[in-house]
Amino acid sequence: SQQGEEDPQALSIQEGENATMNCSYKTSINNLQWYRQNSGRGLVHLILIRSNEREKHSGRLRVTLDTSKKSSSLLITASRAADTASYFCATDSYSSASKIIFGSGTRLSIRP
Amino acid sequence: NAGVTQTPKFQVLKTGQSMTLQCAQDMNHNSMYWYRQDPGMGLRLIYYSASEGTTDKGEVPNGYNVSRLNKREFSLRLESAAPSQTSVYFCASSESGGASYGYTFGSGTRLTVV
Repeated sequence: SQQGEEDPQALSIQEGENATMNCSYKTSINNLQWYRQNSGRGLVHLILIRSNEREKHSGRLRVTLDTSKKSSSLLITASRAADTASYFCATDSYSSASKIIFGSGTRLSIRP
Repeated sequence: NAGVTQTPKFQVLKTGQSMTLQCAQDMNHNSMYWYRQDPGMGLRLIYYSASEGTTDKGEVPNGYNVSRLNKREFSLRLESAAPSQTSVYFCASSESGGASYGYTFGSGTRLTVV
């Protein structure tokens, strides 16, 4: 069973706009991560946020975490064509801290 | 460049054949993982090795075996391939288990079982 679920499943926006993706999870976590996957490639780690953090920034990326709602969001500001990819959240859990489970992903398309 | 290397990149098998997917990392990471990704879906964990000498089942271990040969290498074996095992397989490594560190992924092995 999946720990994290992303929403929306697919998102298409104009270049320059901001993109927001959400992730909900089921059980208490220690950490949550976001990854990007370009078509036909492996996943690339973007950012990690710990359960005691509420917000984290990395370049044009902003991640928030609300442990009371068991949800996280990834905001990409000023989107570019190169941001076209699938984005996945991944979490561990208190009961199984030695591995992470991925959600089904959000497919982001940036229109020129 | 440092990273995770998977071989082969592509493979076609007939039902019932066996094969081993190889994975090696040169980052001195303790933990290694095998995932499969089916079209339009996320990754599902097959097996993982939290540290050298240990292996554990993930979400979908049936039909697979693994070997943590040493700290660098973690192989995945299909003893009798089935069409349901057609997928893209990714190997990953991390400094330690869980989500405390980011995972580094290989570029994948695209396996088709006919």
